[in-house]
Amino acid sequence: AQSVTQLGSHVSVSEGALVLLRCNYSSSVPPYLFWYVQYPNQGLQLLLKYTSAATLVKGINGFEAEFKKSETSFHLTKPSAHMSDAAEYFCAVSDLDKLIFGTGTRLQVFP
Amino acid sequence: EADIYQTPRYLVIGTGKKITLECSQTMGHDKMYWYQQDPGMELHLIHYSYGVNSTEKGDLSSESTVSRIRTEHFPLTLESARPSHTSQYLCASSVGTVSVSTDTQYFGPGTRLTVL
Repeated sequence: AQSVTQLGSHVSVSEGALVLLRCNYSSSVPPYLFWYVQYPNQGLQLLLKYTSAATLVKGINGFEAEFKKSETSFHLTKPSAHMSDAAEYFCAVSDLDKLIFGTGTRLQVFP
Repeated sequence: EADIYQTPRYLVIGTGKKITLECSQTMGHDKMYWYQQDPGMELHLIHYSYGVNSTEKGDLSSESTVSRIRTEHFPLTLESARPSHTSQYLCASSVGTVSVSTDTQYFGPGTRLTVL
């Protein structure tokens, strides 16, 4: 069965610093991978998804993620954090007819 | 922006009560889902539907039931609420043409349920 592991339940960065949120997946077949963001008291919103096209995927709000098959990773990055990026981020992998979500990483951004 | 709505947003109710959590979407999506979300835990799929009159159980066993009589509406019902049902419930929908697992899912804002 497919699974995802998000390393670090909490990540703190200063405004303007690099954001790196880690996600490793386990999949027996070429995976489809997703990053979702959840702002307080809201549902999840898609940031980006990988569907076996380009390995570097650009998403909304300046985020991007790189699919690395050799490392089974799909880490999310943003060059310069903004206060509005503070939220919970979920990585997900497809598994037949459903998505399997990670436990989430809470990003804090300090001024 | 996705148009998917959940009511109520917050619900505090006593043990043994019957409750229905509402979910509606105006996008005409065929596929709809219910997830349960607890703090620090992954989202667990509890129910999903491919279309009208289609319902399937997800990975997480749940005492709740769902129905899909209309495309836009996917309510979740608990016949007798218990404290163990306290959680956040998220509804989602997707259109997709290939398979459910590659679809972009659009989420509602969630219902936070507390059972006393």
